[in-house]
Amino acid sequence: DIQMTQAPSSLSASVGDRVTITCRASQIISSYLNWYQQKPGQAPKLLIYSASSLQSGVPSRFSGSGSGADFTLTISTLQPEDFATYYCQQSYSTRWTFGQGTKVEI
Amino acid sequence: QVQLVESGGGVVQPGRSLRLSCAASDFTFETSAMHWVRQAPGKGLEWVARISHDGGNTYYADSVKGRFTISRDNSKNTMYLQMSNLRTEDTAVYYCAKAVGLWEKLRLDSWGQGTLVTVSS
Repeated sequence: DIQMTQAPSSLSASVGDRVTITCRASQIISSYLNWYQQKPGQAPKLLIYSASSLQSGVPSRFSGSGSGADFTLTISTLQPEDFATYYCQQSYSTRWTFGQGTKVEI
Repeated sequence: QVQLVESGGGVVQPGRSLRLSCAASDFTFETSAMHWVRQAPGKGLEWVARISHDGGNTYYADSVKGRFTISRDNSKNTMYLQMSNLRTEDTAVYYCAKAVGLWEKLRLDSWGQGTLVTVSS
């Protein structure tokens, strides 16, 4: 299976900060990379698909980049509602896998 | 507004079986691939299984292969997860999710609220 490794596992930030989360795949996955946000007690929510495409309805402060095996999720200006856990996920192989998550906290 | 409603969770003893259901509405279920994803208490997301739109293709995570079976009934707009020989490490919230897109645009764009499965003696 393709392993997805996120960094960092957690980070502390303040409202207004620029936040960057990285995700590395154990093999080349082209642009088959999605990002999700999950808040406590809620289902995950799709933010970014195909590495850099913004899902409809998601604020433009979220962006994704990368291709191959290295990817980045950036929140340009952190808002109070962005404190959550973020997961990358690959859809390259028939068996999908998620990263371990990055918790963004105050 | 896509709706996905999971049911069938509960407390079950190790070695026993349980069947989860995911009732879908407000989208064309029969043309959508579907997935199950789980989350153990305090842990991250784990992909469990997927099924093609017509049920002809299924795939499983190694952790559940041979014990879990994913299926669907397009006439009832419902997907299932039959779980057998349950282990304590299967304890988790189980989410159903709808897939959309092709090739590198494949993603899970809608999720249910989840159903909790607790495996304990």
